[in-house]
Amino acid sequence: AQSVTQLGSHVSVSEGALVLLRCNYSSSVPPYLFWYVQYPNQGLQLLLKYTSAATLVKGINGFEAEFKKSETSFHLTKPSAHMSDAAEYFCAVKRGNQFYFGTGTSLTVIP
Amino acid sequence: EPEVTQTPSHQVTQMGQEVILRCVPISNHLYFYWYRQILGQKVEFLVSFYNNEISEKSEIFDDQFSVERPDGSNFTLKIRSTKLEDSAMYFCASRLWTVDTEAFFGQGTRLTVV
Repeated sequence: AQSVTQLGSHVSVSEGALVLLRCNYSSSVPPYLFWYVQYPNQGLQLLLKYTSAATLVKGINGFEAEFKKSETSFHLTKPSAHMSDAAEYFCAVKRGNQFYFGTGTSLTVIP
Repeated sequence: EPEVTQTPSHQVTQMGQEVILRCVPISNHLYFYWYRQILGQKVEFLVSFYNNEISEKSEIFDDQFSVERPDGSNFTLKIRSTKLEDSAMYFCASRLWTVDTEAFFGQGTRLTVV
């Protein structure tokens, strides 16, 4: 079955520090991968997506993710955390017509 | 910017009652989805819909659930007889037909079954 694993259900960083949210996927072939963000009481908003073009993908709000086939990973990073980045982040893989979501990582930014 | 809209934003219903959650997908999208998220848990796939029929459905999507596209714009999820465990946030999503496109999600409907 196609799935993603997000390591760390909660991550806390200081404002201005590096954000690293981990996602590993299981797939026999390179999949389509996505990161979504969910702010409190809101829906899911696309941050970025990997569709087998460039392995380093840049998204909105300064986030980027690198697809590493050898590690089956698609970790999300941001060089400098901002208070407004506090949210739930979901990694997702698309196989066929379905999207499979990870369990999510809650990011807390400490002032 | 086009967006997926869902109504209502919050619905409270009594156990055993029928509810209909409504969604207006983005107009040129062809694939439609319903997902749900029980509080504190992962986002779970319920059903996908394409070309006026169910494309895929999960084990969660049992006989109590149904979907419909009654006209050219709306996409609805009906729960025939709600249970307490149906309490969740329900998200509608849509996407274009090309394989590499993302799903665009609505703001969700929070369903509370009492």
